[in-house]
Amino acid sequence: AQKVTQAQTEISVVEKEDVTLDCVYETRDTTYYLFWYKQPPSGELVFLIRRNSFDEQNEISGRYSWNFQKSTSSFNFTITASQVVDSAVYFCALRLNSGYALNFGKGTSLLVTP
Amino acid sequence: GAGVSQSPSNKVTEKGKDVELRCDPISGHTALYWYRQSLGQGLEFLIYFQGNSAPDKSGLPSDRFSAERTGGSVSTLTIQRTQQEDSAVYLCASSLALWDTEAFFGQGTRLTVV
Repeated sequence: AQKVTQAQTEISVVEKEDVTLDCVYETRDTTYYLFWYKQPPSGELVFLIRRNSFDEQNEISGRYSWNFQKSTSSFNFTITASQVVDSAVYFCALRLNSGYALNFGKGTSLLVTP
Repeated sequence: GAGVSQSPSNKVTEKGKDVELRCDPISGHTALYWYRQSLGQGLEFLIYFQGNSAPDKSGLPSDRFSAERTGGSVSTLTIQRTQQEDSAVYLCASSLALWDTEAFFGQGTRLTVV
C-alpha cells in the first residue's frame, strides 16, 4: 500500500523567511509520480509541480524549489523569501503509474505573517 | 469552460435526504475524478471516469454513494439517505486523459448534513 506523510501539521513564519515543507512517501512500485498542491482559503487545489520517479533532478520555479530524494523517499518543498500570499494548506500527493488516484498527505497549513 | 466548475458551492441538507453534487470538467478532458475532503480523513479518492465509464467503484464509501457521467462531460455524485458523517467538501478534478497525471480541481461543494 502507498502512503504519504506530511509530519508538519502547521507552520508559522514571518514574511521573508524561508520555509521547507516535508513530505515522505511509501510505495513498493518503481514507477510513480509525486505532486505538490496548494489549497488557498478559496478551497481550490492548485497544481504546483509533478515529478516522476525516474527524474530526481531538483527543480526551481521562482521562489519555489523542490528536492526529490529517492534514497530517503522524500519530496520536500521550499519557499524562499515567503510572502503573505503563500499562506495556504499545502498537500503532497503520490500517484502510481499503475493507478489513477492521487494519494494525499494530511497537508501542512502554512501561515505567513507580515 | 475555463476551469472545473462545481455546483452548488454549499449545500445544507437534513439527515436522511438525498443530494446531488454536480461537476462540469474542463472542456475536452476525458478523465474526471471525485475526491472527498473531511477533517478526520483528509483527502480521499472516491471514483474516476474515463469518458462515461467508471471501471472501479471500490473507493465509494458506501452503497449510498453513486456517480454517473453523461456525454463524456458533466458528472453527478449522488448521496442517498445522507448521514452526518457525509459532511465534507466534495472535490472534482479533470485531466486530459487518464494517462495525463496533471489534474485540475474545482473549488468543491461543501456539504453539511444536519
